[in-house]
Amino acid sequence: EVQLVESGGGLVQPGRSLRLSCTASGFTFGDYAMSWFRQAPGKGLEWVSAIRGKPYGGTTEYAASVKGRFTISRDDSKSIAYLQMNSLKTEDTAVYYCSRSRATTVTSFDYWGQGTLVTVSS
Amino acid sequence: DIVMTQTPLSLSVTPGQPASISCKSTQSLLHTDGQTYLYWFQQKPGQPPQLLIYGASNRFSGVPDRFSGSGSGTDFTLKISRVEAEDVGSYYCMQTIQAPFTFGGGTKVEIK
Repeated sequence: EVQLVESGGGLVQPGRSLRLSCTASGFTFGDYAMSWFRQAPGKGLEWVSAIRGKPYGGTTEYAASVKGRFTISRDDSKSIAYLQMNSLKTEDTAVYYCSRSRATTVTSFDYWGQGTLVTVSS
Repeated sequence: DIVMTQTPLSLSVTPGQPASISCKSTQSLLHTDGQTYLYWFQQKPGQPPQLLIYGASNRFSGVPDRFSGSGSGTDFTLKISRVEAEDVGSYYCMQTIQAPFTFGGGTKVEIK
């Protein structure tokens, strides 16, 4: 059974850092790209970042709102995707979700984690 | 960036009646590989998004057949043939033909 479990969220002060983890199971992690999304309270969905699988160079993409502050990475040996969030702002407050996708096919984003809440407040 | 414009913002539907949501993109979502990188998600309160439709018109496994997706290029539609009480929630379209991936603003569906 495919499972994605996010962890690492919490309350953090503006300007501080947090690292989120997305632990995957039930599929061959290295075959998939992984993405992070977020949803601020009462708002819509926003894509944050993505990392391709090693066969596609492990390249990364970022939303403009987080570029230079957030870093996505992956450890295929542990089936975990990470989101390192630095210089956090109050507007980064959101539930963060991870999801999987496959390169060169639209059969993607079929599984999502339950999300982890990040609250940035003093 | 590709802008996704979703309408209407909200929908109040009598059970058993149809519902339709429109999603328009500022660029074609048809890739040179022949696939269309347009998705539809349903999100119920307090839950993560759930995939309904991928590739503009392919129903994901387990999704009731009252849900259908259509459209091509820049113009897409999600239809619910007969709305049921369990269909309450928000619906989003998303494009992934190019980064940054972008969502429509969402449509909230409620039951009359």
